[in-house]
Amino acid sequence: ETGVTQTPRHLVMGMTNKKSLKCEQHLGHNAMYWYKQSAKKPLELMFVYSLEERVENNSVPSRFSPECPNSSHLFLHLHTLQPEDSALYLCASSQDKDEYTQYFGPGTRLTVL
Amino acid sequence: SQKIEQNSEALNIQEGKTATLTCNYTNYSPAYLQWYRQDPGRGPVFLLLIRENEKEKRKERLKVTFDTTLKQSLFHITASQPADSATYLCALDIPSGTYKYIFGTGTRLKVLA
Repeated sequence: ETGVTQTPRHLVMGMTNKKSLKCEQHLGHNAMYWYKQSAKKPLELMFVYSLEERVENNSVPSRFSPECPNSSHLFLHLHTLQPEDSALYLCASSQDKDEYTQYFGPGTRLTVL
Repeated sequence: SQKIEQNSEALNIQEGKTATLTCNYTNYSPAYLQWYRQDPGRGPVFLLLIRENEKEKRKERLKVTFDTTLKQSLFHITASQPADSATYLCALDIPSGTYKYIFGTGTRLKVLA
């Protein structure tokens, strides 16, 4: 295990639902990330938080809303998603801005019907 | 903009042979380059990082080279084993002052017994 956990591991939701993805890191890291991974596409960085402050929002639609209440927890709130949002959503953490290595969670497989 | 190309989508080799995976980039040379392993349904796991002033890095059966002239990194697995079967991703930093990285789409390696 990498020290980064994600729940749920699988999620099926309708386009009108509201759901949240949760990520928790047990590594004492200061930076956390959300990525989207679609089939045959590279990992897409969505959001970056450093010391609970959002430092990067990579042109992500507003139907994705991140929240970082403390340096160990990261959420991704989902509402009115589209079928093309179906993907593997990965959370990662790193020590700080000078530590480039990222530790990934197992991901949440999201299916939007 | 920077683009990453990883040699082939899939690579099959015989057990015991050396697997060589390629990561080419098209634009500026990154300050560092990383290789990750990803198993189906799991998040990527960090393997090796090599900096622009390093030619080669080794870790057990793994070796990474970095040629800024060719704009290429090679990732070698010697004495390959079926357990090495996975998708291998390369990632480059983006010198934007934030926490940005770009990932390749990966090469799916299968080691045949």
